[in-house]
Amino acid sequence: ETGVTQTPRHLVMGMTNKKSLKCEQHLGHNAMYWYKQSAKKPLELMFVYNFKEQTENNSVPSRFSPECPNSSHLFLHLHTLQPEDSALYLCASSQDRPAAGGLSSGNTIYFGEGSWLTVV
Amino acid sequence: AQKVTQAQTEISVVEKEDVTLDCVYETRDTTYYLFWYKQPPSGELVFLIRRNSFDEQNEISGRYSWNFQKSTSSFNFTITASQVVDSAVYFCALNGQNFVFGPGTRLSVLP
Repeated sequence: ETGVTQTPRHLVMGMTNKKSLKCEQHLGHNAMYWYKQSAKKPLELMFVYNFKEQTENNSVPSRFSPECPNSSHLFLHLHTLQPEDSALYLCASSQDRPAAGGLSSGNTIYFGEGSWLTVV
Repeated sequence: AQKVTQAQTEISVVEKEDVTLDCVYETRDTTYYLFWYKQPPSGELVFLIRRNSFDEQNEISGRYSWNFQKSTSSFNFTITASQVVDSAVYFCALNGQNFVFGPGTRLSVLP
């Protein structure tokens, strides 16, 4: 059983729908991440939460709205998406995330199985 | 700035062949960490190994081995006697100021 679980594994949604992706980590970590992986593109970091506080938002459109109610759970709320948003969305966690400019903690990032999203 | 380069986009080998996946990194940090992940078709990125910049000792784990050469900023990954189940996308990553992934190398092992 993976330490990071994501639901749903597959999601098909229309452009006017509202849906959410859920992530839960069972590793006792304090940092959680959302990554986007599109076909033929590198992994893109979307959001970072450290101790429940959002510390990074890499210019992600507002139609993606993250929520981190506690250190174990992370959501990605989706609304009025576009077909080009179709991708694999990966949740991940690590022990913590150093502050910008700080020394690397070297913490390993552990990933969930991903949620395959198709926007039609 | 940090950067990870995996020059090999796709590699195909026949089962039982050895294969080396290349990874070259750039960083100004004196302390950093290097990683390899495997992504099978199911999607999950599976953590394989983590090395810190002060430990250049090569590592072997079963059929997997890693060669860390600080002088050439490389952290190459070799699979010995490849198997069909090794088919996946492999990512090299660097954790210095930020966690940066390379673009990945797609390995296909043919029976």
